Amino acid sequence: RKEVEQDPGPFNVPEGATVAFNCTYSNSASQSFFWYRQDCRKEPKLLMSVYSSGNEDGRFTAQLNRASQYISLLIRDSKLSDSATYLCVVRRGKLIFGQGTELSVKP
Amino acid sequence: DAGVIQSPRHEVTEMGQEVTLRCKPISGHNSLFWYRQTMMRGLELLIYFNNNVPIDDSGMPEDRFSAKMPNASFSTLKIQPSEPRDSAVYFCATAVYRPGVSNQPQHFGDGTRLSIL
Repeated sequence: RKEVEQDPGPFNVPEGATVAFNCTYSNSASQSFFWYRQDCRKEPKLLMSVYSSGNEDGRFTAQLNRASQYISLLIRDSKLSDSATYLCVVRRGKLIFGQGTELSVKP
Repeated sequence: DAGVIQSPRHEVTEMGQEVTLRCKPISGHNSLFWYRQTMMRGLELLIYFNNNVPIDDSGMPEDRFSAKMPNASFSTLKIQPSEPRDSAVYFCATAVYRPGVSNQPQHFGDGTRLSIL
């Protein structure tokens, strides 16, 4: 079992839809949490950190539940440009990446 | 602003050859990470350095892989001899390391796409 698990998708949604990604992690010693975005054949880029209180950045909302070791990312009013792979990442000393969830937003 | 610079961008070589991947970190970044990404295994950390010192090399697959950071502005990842199963995208990432501060973002280079025939 992988330390960080994500639904691989792909998620195919129409423009304007709301889409939610889920992630679970197995090691309770994980210290901090992130969502990264990776476009096809490009490098991963930090999308946002995830805090226990939940945090929002425009159309993106991230939530963390330490008790259930669960992380989520919600994208509202999805745009074509949101099409990418979204990587759930935990830090336990080093960064540990999930396999990523592929999102495809269609017109 | 120069980001993390990796070279070469692409490399195709025959199995058995030595491969050297290079990384120049962002100026002022004192942590450097080497990752490998494949479809099957996703993004895996191979090794990382803080202040030029290797901290964790537990992800290095085997003795054929070695990494060095001779100074703060340069690192290499070497595979010798290379095998077809080493084909992957190799990313270098750097960050600012401060003891006790865990939220520093990592900045990735464009990656080296390696194909071993």
